[in-house]
Amino acid sequence: QQQVKQSPQSLIVQKGGIPIINCAYENTAFDYFPWYQQFPGKGPALLIAIRPDVSEKKEGRFTISFNKSAKQFSLHIMDSQPGDSATYFCAASIGAGAGSYQLTFGKGTKLSVIP
Amino acid sequence: EAGVTQFPSHSVIEKGQTVTLRCDPISGHDNLYWYRRVMGKEIKFLLHFVKESKQDESGMPNNRFLAERTGGTYSTLKVQPAELEDSGVYFCASSTGTGNEQYFGPGTRLTVT
Repeated sequence: QQQVKQSPQSLIVQKGGIPIINCAYENTAFDYFPWYQQFPGKGPALLIAIRPDVSEKKEGRFTISFNKSAKQFSLHIMDSQPGDSATYFCAASIGAGAGSYQLTFGKGTKLSVIP
Repeated sequence: EAGVTQFPSHSVIEKGQTVTLRCDPISGHDNLYWYRRVMGKEIKFLLHFVKESKQDESGMPNNRFLAERTGGTYSTLKVQPAELEDSGVYFCASSTGTGNEQYFGPGTRLTVT
């Protein structure tokens, strides 16, 4: 049973466009939702993260929107650049009370930004 | 500050052989995690160390996998004997004792033939 569903699987946008990647989760105990960016041959790099007490978080050109009632969250990349071409993973974890911060990942979205 | 490092970057072994992967976390990070990504699937949790103790082993697929963390520093993940389905990329991540933020290494690509 996949606990975090991510879509789309791949996405092509033109430079300057705003790609949006969506994730939905099932476990209401999740309380930390990070996004990771991965370039070929590298490990996932933490990009931005949100907790369910806020509905939006922005860091530079990256914005997370969070809808607790719908159990959904999304990543928006403003003014996308070819250098943003990478695979993006959403993830979720339960907090300290569970004893482990293990991340549950979506399957990833391969983003291509064309000049 | 050095990031998480993993060795080797790529390993090709035959079915039935043994392979040991190594992870060096960020200095001072008490939490160390192992994850695996099998081709076409999502990245999946294997286990979690707090210092030298195994906090959560719920993701380990079977007893062919053995993880250790000597003295609470680096960690090794041994697969013995390796099977074809063990092929994939093995990631290590570390975090401080107080936060969720996990920092990943570059991964070890394991190919079992």
